[in-house]
Amino acid sequence: QSALTQPASVSGSPGQSITISCTGTNSDVGGYNYVSWYQHHPGKAPKLMIYKVNNRPSGVSNRFSGSKSGNTASLTISGLQAEDEADYYCNSYTGINTYVFGTGTRVTVL
Amino acid sequence: EVQLVESGGDLVQPGQSLRLSCVTSGFDFGDSAMAWVRQAPGQGLEWVGLITKKAFGEKTAYAASVRGRFTFSRDDSKTTAYLQMNSLRTEDTAVYYCARDWDWGLVYWGQGTLVTVSS
Repeated sequence: QSALTQPASVSGSPGQSITISCTGTNSDVGGYNYVSWYQHHPGKAPKLMIYKVNNRPSGVSNRFSGSKSGNTASLTISGLQAEDEADYYCNSYTGINTYVFGTGTRVTVL
Repeated sequence: EVQLVESGGDLVQPGQSLRLSCVTSGFDFGDSAMAWVRQAPGQGLEWVGLITKKAFGEKTAYAASVRGRFTFSRDDSKTTAYLQMNSLRTEDTAVYYCARDWDWGLVYWGQGTLVTVSS
């Protein structure tokens, strides 16, 4: 199972909105509504930001939203803040209890 | 308070074995699937696999890169998950995380334990 494809980096100024794409295939992103997104600050535990495409866990800011169209899922961060600077990973179910992560995107707040 | 604490990481030589533990508290471990994720130095997150809850038969699933070498197990009485790693390779060098799989998302994570495979 190959990693899902994400842009290596995305940047934006404070207050702006950015979108991170996550492209897979009919066997993962396109085949299931089980895409999740994780924020990872180096040296810390990853944090679940979005699950089942567009659901936010309790405590996650509503500035984070998810969507999916065909084989591509997206994470949008609106009102970009300095603390949003981190690595972001998508993850998709691929069937029979298996999952795959994306390649990861470094978000930089200018 | 939810806690997941991994331990057992060490420096080992290629071909050797290692067992990682993930001691948990603060959530219903028995009603949880437990996943393992790793991050090699300078690389992204890699899904290693998971073990379902007892009610679902403690079924296991593995990434192709570790299948046949790694084995997951769990002890619900100790609220602990285990990762047995055999025939370790240099490319298995990584920080290993355990996480609670809930509603198709990894909702709680540990801080990770470092495994280094080197001669």
